[in-house]
Amino acid sequence: EAGVAQSPRYKIIEKRQSVAFWCNPISGHATLYWYQQILGQGPKLLIQFQNNGVVDDSQLPKDRFSAERLKGVDSTLKIQPAKLEDSAVYLCASSSPMSKAGVGYNEQFFGPGTRLTVL
Amino acid sequence: GDSVTQMEGPVTLSEEAFLTINCTYTATGYPSLFWYVQYPGEGLQLLLKATKADDKGSNKGFEATYRKETTSFHLEKGSVQVSDSAVYFCALSGPPYSSASKIIFGSGTRLSIRP
Repeated sequence: EAGVAQSPRYKIIEKRQSVAFWCNPISGHATLYWYQQILGQGPKLLIQFQNNGVVDDSQLPKDRFSAERLKGVDSTLKIQPAKLEDSAVYLCASSSPMSKAGVGYNEQFFGPGTRLTVL
Repeated sequence: GDSVTQMEGPVTLSEEAFLTINCTYTATGYPSLFWYVQYPGEGLQLLLKATKADDKGSNKGFEATYRKETTSFHLEKGSVQVSDSAVYFCALSGPPYSSASKIIFGSGTRLSIRP
């Protein structure tokens, strides 16, 4: 079974430029997450999708970040314009469907991440 | 809100030493608890999990027990190897298919094992 795919793996841009990241989750996974991991910290959720709907985007800086999952499969995260403090690894994760909502646990599978450097 | 606090690193041990990385949490309800590991140059991987009080998660010689009374989930290993050198994250999440299903991570503990 293929894992979560992300591209690009690395990106270097100057501040005020735009950048986009792509994620393809594990086939059949309805829930997709984007996390931001700043160096020396744990990942922090930016946005959570259930199929093509947003479940939680409370931590997404909406003045500059946007994300979409139009067909409920792959997803794109965009930053426009980028700031120095956006330098981080952007992780995509997807979780397996459960037969009964609320039962069991939520195992998330992570992609390799995109390392963004803003100069 | 929910949060995870874990032992600050870096932690440096000699091979075959005993390892403990402390983790405590604050949460409403009954979260699932996890330890994730990030090896150098690799992505995050689930190391072990526990979904209810008194559950013990185990994998690759690592263990952690879900202690509701002390809100803790400490990671232990009896004899570490050089290959265990990595960053370890304690984490929690709420029920699947809810806005609480996101994972809340601790800040990570870098572990280095000397041969």
